[in-house]
Amino acid sequence: QLQLQESGPGLVKPSETLSLTCTVSGGSISSSSYYWGWIRQPPGKGLEWIGSIHYSGSTYYNPSLKSRVTISVDTSKNQFSLKLSSVTAADTAVYYCARPPTTGTTRSAFDIWGQGTMVTVSS
Amino acid sequence: QSALTQPASVSGSPGQSITISCTGTSSDVGGYNYVSWYQQHPGKAPKLMIYEVSNRPSGVSNRFSGSKSGNTASLTISGLQAEDEADYYCSSYTSSSMSFGGGTKLTVL
Repeated sequence: QLQLQESGPGLVKPSETLSLTCTVSGGSISSSSYYWGWIRQPPGKGLEWIGSIHYSGSTYYNPSLKSRVTISVDTSKNQFSLKLSSVTAADTAVYYCARPPTTGTTRSAFDIWGQGTMVTVSS
Repeated sequence: QSALTQPASVSGSPGQSITISCTGTSSDVGGYNYVSWYQQHPGKAPKLMIYEVSNRPSGVSNRFSGSKSGNTASLTISGLQAEDEADYYCSSYTSSSMSFGGGTKLTVL
């Protein structure tokens, strides 16, 4: 059964770079043409799509975050990662990694989710 | 301000049916058949309930159904059960992004 697990620092200082990794287990990240995604949710608020990546390295980013976001993939480790630069308190959120229910769609829906990891931006 | 508009709250009694709306524009909901719905219980990750307007993932109860008319999508839950009490979010593909609604809190009375 496919599982996703986010990992990374829970506290990041303002103006620094947030870095998170999603480890995929129970299946290969490169076995099918899925676009693996990152989504975040500020405390008490709604969901926001950050971006998605294919194992080939093809990426799609939310235009509102594009200037600060980099998503990369490491197929040898079965992982994909998120970097968000110049963070502020507004970037405090639970960050989720997820996979769509169908292949080939870049940002249609997400079926399998990690448990989420809380990242707080504070000095 | 969320790109997609949902009612803040809806409620219903056990056994009843409720519908949650999700209103967008021709650039998102109305323009593509990529509307999805998520259920989220407190402290948990979202769970996909409907994708591509009306498709249910394996394991999701057939009490959940989705539809779309013009720029508005709807999630209907029939035979309400206590465990359906949760927050529900809609989302839609757009030409450059993926938009979510602000969420609807479902209370089972």
